[in-house]
Amino acid sequence: KAGVTQTPRYLIKTRGQQVTLSCSPISGHRSVSWYQQTPGQGLQFLFEYFSETQRNKGNFPGRFSGRQFSNSRSEMNVSTLELGDSALYLCASSRGQAHYGYTFGSGTRLTVV
Amino acid sequence: DQQVKQNSPSLSVQEGRISILNCDYTNSMFDYFLWYKKYPAEGPTFLISISSIKDKNEDGRFTVFLNKSAKHLSLHIVPSQPGDSAVYFCAASVGSGGSNYKLTFGKGTLLTVNP
Repeated sequence: KAGVTQTPRYLIKTRGQQVTLSCSPISGHRSVSWYQQTPGQGLQFLFEYFSETQRNKGNFPGRFSGRQFSNSRSEMNVSTLELGDSALYLCASSRGQAHYGYTFGSGTRLTVV
Repeated sequence: DQQVKQNSPSLSVQEGRISILNCDYTNSMFDYFLWYKKYPAEGPTFLISISSIKDKNEDGRFTVFLNKSAKHLSLHIVPSQPGDSAVYFCAASVGSGGSNYKLTFGKGTLLTVNP
């Protein structure tokens, strides 16, 4: 079956711009989570959605937002980009609970210049 | 406050020998622990998990040990193969409530298996 698909794979943006990243989960998976990976901080939890509802949110500023559609596809948005937002953004899908294990996508590499 | 710690940024072992990756945690509410492997330019891949009611879980060459009193877990890979060279992440979750919906990751350990 198809895996988790993230688009685009690479993105270069300028400070102050906004960006939208997309994630299509595995068919049948209703939970979508987003993580930010940076060399210094490892994987940091952004937020998790299940059936279009945000169930949990990490400690990121309000510039980071997300949503989930009725077909379980999810988007995350970062407004007013800063240089420190440069990172690999990973989307993961699961049937509902984190401890069952996620399936991650390959990520979107965002570079802010 | 880093609740899941992988204190060794890197580890190098010879092919055929045992690789032992370590992880410590501080949050006593964690009751599920998972290991993920990540190759460059790919997302992390789930390897193995363990519930806090167990002290050992085995899957082929991979075994995870959990010492709850020490808040410590380890991943053993025996025998190590060059294809195991990757970054290994330890992760933990709380089994109920809102915290169940996220994993807290360590910063990872880069394992290099030399032929």
